[in-house]
Amino acid sequence: AQSVTQPDIHITVSEGASLELRCNYSYGATPYLFWYVQSPGQGLQLLLKYFSGDTLVQGIKGFEAEFKRSQSSFNLRKPSVHWSDAAEYFCAVGARTGGYNKLIFGAGTRLAVHP
Amino acid sequence: ETGVTQTPRHLVMGMTNKKSLKCEQHLGHNAMYWYKQSAKKPLELMFVYSLEERVENNSVPSRFSPECPNSSHLFLHLHTLQPEDSALYLCASSQDLQPSTDTQYFGPGTRLTVL
Repeated sequence: AQSVTQPDIHITVSEGASLELRCNYSYGATPYLFWYVQSPGQGLQLLLKYFSGDTLVQGIKGFEAEFKRSQSSFNLRKPSVHWSDAAEYFCAVGARTGGYNKLIFGAGTRLAVHP
Repeated sequence: ETGVTQTPRHLVMGMTNKKSLKCEQHLGHNAMYWYKQSAKKPLELMFVYSLEERVENNSVPSRFSPECPNSSHLFLHLHTLQPEDSALYLCASSQDLQPSTDTQYFGPGTRLTVL
C-alpha cells in the first residue's frame, strides 16, 4: 500500500541554520511527490513538486528537495532558516487511483525556529 | 479574491444542527476536493469532484453530504454530527485530474467544533 513517512514529528533549529526535513515514501510506480507548508490556522501552501526530470527541485521561499529513487526519499532542505519558516511541513505522494492522483500525506513535521 | 476561499472560517454547532461549509475557487480549475484534518492524524481525503461529478467518496459517513453546483463552488452539508467530527476541513482545487496538471491548491480551512 502507498504510504508516506515523516520520521521527525518536531524539529527545532536556530535562525540562520540549515534545515533538512526527511520524507520516505512507499509507492510501486513512478511517484509524484509534493511538499506543502501549513502555518497555524491556515491551509496548505505548495512549496514544490516533483513529477519527472531533474531530481533536484527548486521551490518557493528558498526551499529545495531532492528525489532519490534508490532511497525512496524526497527530503526538503533550506540552507538558512528564517523565523517565518516556523510551521508544519507535509510531504505527500500522488498515488494514481480511480483516474486521479490521490494525495497520500505524511503525518507532518512541526518546525520551531529559535532566534 | 484570488485562490481558494472557504467560509465560514470557524463554526461551532450542536449535534442536532444542520450547517454548510462553502468553498470557492478563483483559479479556473475543474476539480475540487474536501479533506478532513484532525489532530494527530494525517489529512484524510473525503470527496473528489471533477466537472461537477463526484469521482471519489472515500467511505465518508452520510452525515456529510457534498454538493458541487458548478466547477467554482463546492459545499459540504453537515447534519447530526458527532463530537469526533470536530476538525479542520480543507477544500482544494486542481486544474483537472491529469497527472501533469492536478497539483492541488488549498483553501485556509474551516475550523469546525461539534458540541
